[in-house]
Amino acid sequence: DAKTTQPNSMESNEEEPVHLPCNHSTISGTDYIHWYRQLPSQGPEYVIHGLTSNVNNRMASLAIAEDRKSSTLILHRATLRDAAVYYCILRDRGRGGGSNYKLTFGKGTLLTVNP
Amino acid sequence: NAGVTQTPKFQVLKTGQSMTLQCAQDMNHEYMSWYRQDPGMGLRLIHYSVGAGITDQGEVPNGYNVSRSTTEDFPLRLLSAAPSQTSVYFCASSQTQLAYEQYFGPGTRLTVT
Repeated sequence: DAKTTQPNSMESNEEEPVHLPCNHSTISGTDYIHWYRQLPSQGPEYVIHGLTSNVNNRMASLAIAEDRKSSTLILHRATLRDAAVYYCILRDRGRGGGSNYKLTFGKGTLLTVNP
Repeated sequence: NAGVTQTPKFQVLKTGQSMTLQCAQDMNHEYMSWYRQDPGMGLRLIHYSVGAGITDQGEVPNGYNVSRSTTEDFPLRLLSAAPSQTSVYFCASSQTQLAYEQYFGPGTRLTVT
C-alpha cells in the first residue's frame, strides 16, 4: 500500500484558516487521495477526496501538488467543532478489488483549535 | 435516515465468552465493513461484504466471523473472546465497494478481561 506521512499534531486558532499537509511520495497513478476526520469518541467522517485537480466542498478544500506527491487539506475558518484527528488516505481504485479498495488509516494529525 | 447504527455502545466480556456486535444501515448500501481501532493505531479492516450473501476477510480476520443475510445488517461475531480483542469496533457502509464516501457508525467499545 502507498504510504502517507502527516504531522502528529497541529494547532490553530478559531476562525483562522488551517492547512493540514500530507506527503505521499510513492503515490501511483490510480491512487485517489481521501481525507477523513475523527471527532473525539466518534467514528471517522468523510471530508473530501481528489485525484489530480484541486477540489472544494462545503467542509473543506483539497489542494493537490502538480506531481501528486503531496496534498493539503484546507479548512477555511476553523471552529471548535473541527478539533479532530485528520487522516490522509490513499485508495487505489485501479487494481484487483476486494480488500485492495480498503481504507488504510494511519495515525493522522491531531488538530487542536484554540478559542 | 439513521445512517449506520451499532449496538451495544459498550461491552465487557470475560476471556472465552462469545458475543455478537450488531451493525445496521438504512441507506440500502451494498458494501459494509468492520474495522477495529486500538490505542495509538489507525483503523484496521477485519471483514467486509460487497452484498447480501457475500463476505470476505480483511487484514485482521482471526477470531471473528461475519455473515450478511440481508442488505441492512452485518453482525460481527467474536467466537471466543481474548484480551487482544479489547478495542473499539467500527462498522462502515458505502453505496458500492468503489464509492468515494464511506459512512461510519459510532463504534462499540469492547473490553475483554
